[in-house]
Amino acid sequence: EVQLVESGGGLVQPGGSLRLSCSASGFTFNSYAIHWVRQAPGKGLEYVSAINNNGGNTYYADSVKGRFTISRDNSKNTVYFQMSSLRAEDTAVYYCVREWYINAWYYDYWGQGTLVTVSS
Amino acid sequence: DIQMTQSPSSVSASVGDRVTITCRASQGISSSLAWYQQKPGKAPKLLIYAASSLQSGVPPRFSGSGSGTDFTLTISSLQPEDFATYYCQQANNFPPTFGQGTRLEIK
Repeated sequence: EVQLVESGGGLVQPGGSLRLSCSASGFTFNSYAIHWVRQAPGKGLEYVSAINNNGGNTYYADSVKGRFTISRDNSKNTVYFQMSSLRAEDTAVYYCVREWYINAWYYDYWGQGTLVTVSS
Repeated sequence: DIQMTQSPSSVSASVGDRVTITCRASQGISSSLAWYQQKPGKAPKLLIYAASSLQSGVPPRFSGSGSGTDFTLTISSLQPEDFATYYCQQANNFPPTFGQGTRLEIK
């Protein structure tokens, strides 16, 4: 069974940092790209970042570029998401999502999400 | 980035009703469109990909159609467990982008 389990969310002050982790199981981890998708309270879904299967390519939405860093450790089946210079507008549930690429970018498995709250 | 616009933003319906939700892309995306269902406090679930292909395990009362810029999700006979929020997502251009969501409520 494919599972993605996020951890590391919590309350942080504006300007602070937080590191999220996404632990994967039930599939060949090093064959899949992983994305982070977030959802602000009561709002829609927003792509935030992605990393390819071997970690050699990373991608970021303009809203987080220069502040967030995605990485992965295939020996541990884990993706990390270092968030710095956090702002109130970064408050959201962050989902770790498996990319299912079939000549197009779909999301076939989602974690349960971890809530990040940026507030003083 | 490609903009996705869903309509309506919310809809009320009864068990057994047929419901259609539409999604429009700001530019052509071929058939590279997905639909997701999200229930309160839960992660989204993939229902349909490639505009009309049903994901494994999804009931056949869900169907999708369209290509280019205009797409629809149809639920043929609403069941109690279908009341949720539905999102479309274009998968043709990176980054993937989502519609704003359609909330399906019980009448």
